[in-house]
Amino acid sequence: SAVISQKPSRDICQRGTSLTIQCQVDSQVTMMFWYRQQPGQSLTLIATANQGSEATYESGFVIDKFPISRPNLTFSTLTVSNMSPEDSSIYLCSVVTLEQFFGPGTRLTVL
Amino acid sequence: AQKVTQAQTEISVVEKEDVTLDCVYETRDTTYYLFWYKQPPSGELVFLIRRNSFDEQNEISGRYSWNFQKSTSSFNFTITASQVVDSAVYFCALSEVPNTGGFKTIFGAGTRPFVKA
Repeated sequence: SAVISQKPSRDICQRGTSLTIQCQVDSQVTMMFWYRQQPGQSLTLIATANQGSEATYESGFVIDKFPISRPNLTFSTLTVSNMSPEDSSIYLCSVVTLEQFFGPGTRLTVL
Repeated sequence: AQKVTQAQTEISVVEKEDVTLDCVYETRDTTYYLFWYKQPPSGELVFLIRRNSFDEQNEISGRYSWNFQKSTSSFNFTITASQVVDSAVYFCALSEVPNTGGFKTIFGAGTRPFVKA
């Protein structure tokens, strides 16, 4: 199994600012993923972040808006840039080992 | 393209009754994985089960059971003798392993059983 922690757990931000979310895993993993869950909605994959290469973004998500870093096999960050109220969501980090595990999520509210 | 359909948004059920959550999926791959997750009000995702495409055996775990039928592309989830604590959102998900590498998971919209005492 994998234990995933995320920081911050929640935040309230002003429109136009940026927030960086951290994801830490207790073991080395090749594949890390970032998901978004908008209020009352399902999870949508933002991007896949593999160490040593640029993140791969899903349709509808771009690097300028959601830059991702993956400096090593246990850590990743997702930045939500130039935020608007539409970015208010839960952002979840996920890893795949034998199973797919999810972090506790970062609950972001943009005013 | 991948698709997961959970047609039931909310289901009302009386405590101690059984409730079945439907999941229908679409994929072109022959190798894939199906999952069910539970998301209680606290927000974390709790893994319940994984099934790979070559294993159609049904599974029972306590009050939970799953019925995987490739012929109908369905992976339904039944909660037996439901309890108030079962009230949560349950997500069905489909994962593929593209030839290009990686691992891609698509989630259904989720189903929320409301268990009434």
